[in-house]
Amino acid sequence: EDQVTQSPEALRLQEGESSSLNCSYTVSGLRGLFWYRQDPGKGPEFLFTLYSAGEEKEKERLKATLTKKESFLHITAPKPEDSATYLCALRDSGGSNYKLTFGKGTLLTVNP
Amino acid sequence: ETGVTQTPRHLVMGMTNKKSLKCEQHLGHNAMYWYKQSAKKPLELMFVYNFKEQTENNSVPSRFSPECPNSSHLFLHLHTLQPEDSALYLCASSQVTGSSDTGELFFGEGSRLTVL
Repeated sequence: EDQVTQSPEALRLQEGESSSLNCSYTVSGLRGLFWYRQDPGKGPEFLFTLYSAGEEKEKERLKATLTKKESFLHITAPKPEDSATYLCALRDSGGSNYKLTFGKGTLLTVNP
Repeated sequence: ETGVTQTPRHLVMGMTNKKSLKCEQHLGHNAMYWYKQSAKKPLELMFVYNFKEQTENNSVPSRFSPECPNSSHLFLHLHTLQPEDSALYLCASSQVTGSSDTGELFFGEGSRLTVL
C-alpha cells in the first residue's frame, strides 16, 4: 500500500530563516510526486510535480527535490505570505490514473 | 468565471436533511473528483468521474450520492448524514489522457459542511 509521511507536522520560522519540509514515501513505482500549498479555508493550489530521483524544480523561494525515498521542499528566506499548509502527494505507476495518495501536510508559519 | 467553482461555501444541516453540493469547472478537463478533508487526516478521494462516467468509488457510504450530468458539472447529494461527516468537501478537476498526462489536480475552494 502506498504511504506518504510528512514531517514536521508544524513548523514555525522567523522571516528570512530558511528551512526544509520533508515528504517520505513508499510506493511500488512512482509516477509523479506532487507538492501543493493550501491556505486556510481554501482548496490546495498546485506547486510542483517531480517524476524521477535527482529532479529539482524551483518557484520563487521554493525548491522541490526528489530522491528514491523522499522529497524535500526547501524554503529560502521565507516571508509571512509563505505561511500555509504544504501537502505532498504521489501517484503510483501501477495504480489508478486518477488516484493521488496525500500526506497529512506540514503547517508552516512564518513570523515577521 | 475561471477554474473550479464550488457552492455553497458553507453548509449546516441536520442529520435528517437532504442537501447538495455543486461543482463547476471551466478548464475543459475530462475528469472531476470529490475529496473529503477532515482535521488531522490526509485528503480522502471519494469519487471520480471521467466524461460523466464514474470510474472510482472508494467505499463511500450510500448517504453520499454523486451525480455528473456533463463533464463540467459535478454534484454531491447528501442525505441522512452523521456528525462525523462534518468536513471540508473539495471538488477537483484534471485532464487525464493515460500515460502522458501530468496528474495535476485543480481544486475548488471547498464546501465546509457541518452536520448537527
